[in-house]
Amino acid sequence: DGGITQSPKYLFRKEGQNVTLSCEQNLNHDAMYWYRQDPGQGLRLIYYSQIVNDFQKGDIAEGYSVSREKKESFPLTVTSAQKNPTAFYLCASSRQAGGSYNEQFFGPGTRLTVL
Amino acid sequence: AQSVAQPEDQVNVAEGNPLTVKCTYSVSGNPYLFWYVQYPNRGLQFLLKYITGDNLVKGSYGFEAEFNKSQTSFHLKKPSALVSDSALYFCAVSLYSGGGADGLTFGKGTHLIIQP
Repeated sequence: DGGITQSPKYLFRKEGQNVTLSCEQNLNHDAMYWYRQDPGQGLRLIYYSQIVNDFQKGDIAEGYSVSREKKESFPLTVTSAQKNPTAFYLCASSRQAGGSYNEQFFGPGTRLTVL
Repeated sequence: AQSVAQPEDQVNVAEGNPLTVKCTYSVSGNPYLFWYVQYPNRGLQFLLKYITGDNLVKGSYGFEAEFNKSQTSFHLKKPSALVSDSALYFCAVSLYSGGGADGLTFGKGTHLIIQP
């Protein structure tokens, strides 16, 4: 059963703590993405990666970090520098790094709440 | 910079009636356009896309969209709405960069409510 998994589904964090969100895909996709969703604001791109060991900042990368050590995995760390981290985080992947016309497949999301 | 506008926060349609969810875009080049649907507390599901060619694109669940270059629009349509179509709909755009997949720019979303 192919797809994208994100864990955990719900995550609670105290202020000042770093937290890592997991994203794994078994679709053999080259490109992976992280988006943040806030009510009424749509999705905004945090980071993306076209190949292993390479990634680029998106529109709102400040306070976040990523790694891409394996093709299947693209974890996102929300650091204490992120001013307003409470949001719904979505991971996605797409088939071909060379083509921005390929549709993205999304995971089920992680809802992060800072207490 | 590219942008997407979805001018309606909410669209209400009676079941069985045709529906339209509006989307306009702004890019400096030829766009790739997408529609996605999101059910509560879930990820996004791909509905359809326009790359090139025929301006009328057909997608999943009976949805279609028409690309209009002169009006820079990509409205989502369905001839007969179902209650199960009620969800949050996103329009998105990407631009060929020559180097790879750069991520999508999304509109703010439109809540579609189908009334029985």
